[in-house]
Amino acid sequence: KAGVTQTPRYLIKTRGQQVTLSCSPISGHRSVSWYQQTPGQGLQFLFEYFSETQRNKGNFPGRFSGRQFSNSRSEMNVSTLELGDSALYLCASSSGLAGNTDTQYFGPGTRLTVL
Amino acid sequence: AQKVTQAQTEISVVEKEDVTLDCVYETRDTTYYLFWYKQPPSGELVFLIRRNSFDEQNEISGRYSWNFQKSTSSFNFTITASQVVDSAVYFCALRSSGSGTYKYIFGTGTRLKVLA
Repeated sequence: KAGVTQTPRYLIKTRGQQVTLSCSPISGHRSVSWYQQTPGQGLQFLFEYFSETQRNKGNFPGRFSGRQFSNSRSEMNVSTLELGDSALYLCASSSGLAGNTDTQYFGPGTRLTVL
Repeated sequence: AQKVTQAQTEISVVEKEDVTLDCVYETRDTTYYLFWYKQPPSGELVFLIRRNSFDEQNEISGRYSWNFQKSTSSFNFTITASQVVDSAVYFCALRSSGSGTYKYIFGTGTRLKVLA
């Protein structure tokens, strides 16, 4: 089974620009979660999508948004980039179902640098 | 409230030493799941183990072992005879239904440095 893929792997943008990151989950998984990881703040949860609906949301400003498509692929968008948005963005996929079968598997991440 | 605490920010050991990474969790749920992930320098979090709240059996996988104790709300991870390749950041996580929709809550991670 192919793992979680994220594109692009590296991205450099300037302040004020917007960016879209993509995540393809493991086949059959319906939940995609996004995390931001920075040296200062650690791993912070952004949001989770399940069957095209946002199911959970972290404490991030509205500049951070996401969506999920019918094939479970997800995109995350950050508008009006700020220097503090420089981070590793990790996507995790899971079945999204209750019970013992649900485990999040992570992609390699997209490293975003904002200049 | 649900919370995961990894009090050890960074640990350094010499190769072949045993090392234990601590994880303490808080949840009011009776059904919950605990996880450990490893994040090597490449950045990707690698899943190591999942435990549910009804299974307090300790688990051993090669040099890795996990000790789950509900009485102390702890899920500690021990690496026996550590190797340089074990150097990474290790995250403990809790999946709990809390307010109805379950979430994953991650600890702040413990950076393990294994010196040759």
